[in-house]
Amino acid sequence: QKEVEQDPGPLSVPEGAIVSLNCTYSNSAFQYFMWYRQYSRKGPELLMYTYSSGNKEDGRFTAQVDKSSKYISLFIRDSQPSDSATYLCAMTNTGNQFYFGTGTSLTVIP
Amino acid sequence: DGGITQSPKYLFRKEGQNVTLSCEQNLNHDAMYWYRQDPGQGLRLIYYSQIVNDFQKGDIAEGYSVSREKKESFPLTVTSAQKNPTAFYLCASSVTGNTEAFFGQGTRLTVV
Repeated sequence: QKEVEQDPGPLSVPEGAIVSLNCTYSNSAFQYFMWYRQYSRKGPELLMYTYSSGNKEDGRFTAQVDKSSKYISLFIRDSQPSDSATYLCAMTNTGNQFYFGTGTSLTVIP
Repeated sequence: DGGITQSPKYLFRKEGQNVTLSCEQNLNHDAMYWYRQDPGQGLRLIYYSQIVNDFQKGDIAEGYSVSREKKESFPLTVTSAQKNPTAFYLCASSVTGNTEAFFGQGTRLTVV
C-alpha cells in the first residue's frame, strides 16, 4: 500500500465551479500537510500548508485535514482557467522526508 | 528575491556520460532534497541532506551521487550507472523543523 493515494484524474470542470481534490494516507504519524500546484514543465508551487486537523483558507483555496479518517482535501472556489494544472498533495511527520501523491490533473474550461 | 535555482533547464546526455545538475538556494534552509518525476509515478526521492557534509539515500539513489559542501548548494550527478535517466529532476529545500518544502523550476534530462 502506498503511503499516500491520490486520484490522478483527469478532472475537467467549467469555469466558476467548485473543485474538490482529495488524498488519503496510511501513516497516522503524519502531522504536516501541503498542497502544491504544478504547471506543465515547471516546479511545484506551494499553495497551502496545514498542521494537524482542521481547515485553512487562503483566498479561493481551502485546505481541510481529517486525521481521524486520514483524509485531506483542497477546495477551489470560483475556479478559473488559470487554475488548470496538476495538484499534488504532500505530507510528513518530521520534515526529514516528504510523501507525495501522484497528482491530480485539473482542467478548467472557459 | 529568495528562492531555489536549478540549472540548466534542459540537459542532454549521451550514453555512458556523467552529468551534474546544479541546485542553489538563498533561503538559508538547512535541508535540501532531490526528486525525480516521471509521468504517472509522482515524485520519488533520490537523496536528501539535513546539514552540510551529510546526506542520506532516498528511495531511488542507485546511479546517482550528491555532495553538500556548502549550505546553499546541493548538486546531483547522474552517473552512467543510471540506466534510465531520462526524467524531470526537481530540487527542493526546507527549514529543518519547519516543514514546508519549496521547489526549484526543475531540470529536464534527456538521454540521446
